Parts: sequence; C-alpha cells; structure tokens
Amino acid sequence: QKEVEQNSGPLSVPEGAIASLNCTYSDRGSQSFFWYRQYSGKSPELIMSIYSNGDKEDGRFTAQLNKASQYVSLLIRDSQPSDSATYLCAVNPLGGSQGNLIFGKGTKLSVKP
Amino acid sequence: GAGVSQSPRYKVTKRGQDVALRCDPISGHVSLYWYRQALGQGPEFLTYFNYEAQQDKSGLPNDRFSAERPEGSISTLTIQRTEQRDSAMYRCASSSGQGTRGFYGYTFGSGTRLTVV
Repeated sequence: QKEVEQNSGPLSVPEGAIASLNCTYSDRGSQSFFWYRQYSGKSPELIMSIYSNGDKEDGRFTAQLNKASQYVSLLIRDSQPSDSATYLCAVNPLGGSQGNLIFGKGTKLSVKP
Repeated sequence: GAGVSQSPRYKVTKRGQDVALRCDPISGHVSLYWYRQALGQGPEFLTYFNYEAQQDKSGLPNDRFSAERPEGSISTLTIQRTEQRDSAMYRCASSSGQGTRGFYGYTFGSGTRLTVV
C-alpha cells in the first residue's frame, strides 16, 4: 500500500513566522511531488510542485525534496493569517499513471495575528 | 466554462438507488480526473481520462462505480446500488495535459456532496 504521511496538526504559528510542513512517502520510486492548499469548505489548489532533490522557491513558498529520506517539506515565510488552511502533500508513485496522485491527509495550519 | 462545474452540489439518496454525478471541465482541458474525499482526509484517486479515453480506473472501489466521457468533454461518474459507505465529497478536476504543470496543475470543481441514507 503506497502511502503519504503528514502530521494532521493543527500547526499554529504567529503572523510573520516561518511555517514548516512535512510529508513522508513510502514509494521510493516516486518522481513527482506536490503541495496543494485547501481552505475550509473549498477545493484543493496546487501551490507547488517539485521533481528533483533540493529546494524550489516560489515567492514566500519553498518546497524541499530529499528522495533518499523519502521526505518532502513546504516552508512558508512571513506567514499571514490568509495562509491558514489545510496543506495536502501529494505524490505520483512509480508505475502510477499521470492522473493518479496519492494525497496525504493534510496538515492544518493556523496563523495567528 | 471559466471553471470546473459539478452537479448536483448536494445529493441525498436512499441506499440501493443509482446516482449519476456530472462534471463539466474547463473548456479545452484534455485531462479529467475523479477523486473522492472523506471528511478530514485527502482526496482519493478514482479514475481519469485523456480526451474520451479512460486511462486509469484502478481507483474505482468496485464494479458498482463507473465513469464515462463519451465526447471528451463532460464526464459522468455513476454509482449503482449505493451504500452508506459511498457517502463522501466527489471531486472532479481537469488539466490542460500540456507540459509538466499542465499534467498536475489540477483545477478542482466545487464537488458533489453525496449522502446515502
């Protein structure tokens, strides 16, 4: 059973701080990794994708990938109350089709003003 | 359309009845995906299409579930003989299928909340 594990939280950080969200996955051959944000009662939206080891930055967001440790993380710098949401880690496993993403349960982030 | 449209938004059905959930993807998006999301869980893959071809149906739980996209646009997910365990949010997504972000830059619809009583 291919799995994606996330701490469900809630993770509470003060406004302006760095929020660090973590994810581990079981399928060592996985090649594609994604972070989706889901506001309460809304649909998930893609915010970051990463395919190779290292860091990838996009504005206040940085995704980090370590395939040897089977670990993906998302850093949110200068956290804002509007960042409060559930963050879903998703992985396209080896042998999986293009459309087959395995999602974690999500980490709920709360940014306090 | 401007976004992914799903209908109905809410569906309450009696156990044993059949239901059909509809998804109208973003115009021009060649890839269409069906996921199911239980409360407090991440989305769970069901099936996906490129154009009218069903590429992967490995996530369909059993043979009561089926999906089609006959003209490569609108898709219907059908659940026959519904059971209470089928209750969930059913989400459709589409993507352009072009380029890396096109494959995975899903735009999800608002979902259909299915309740089987």
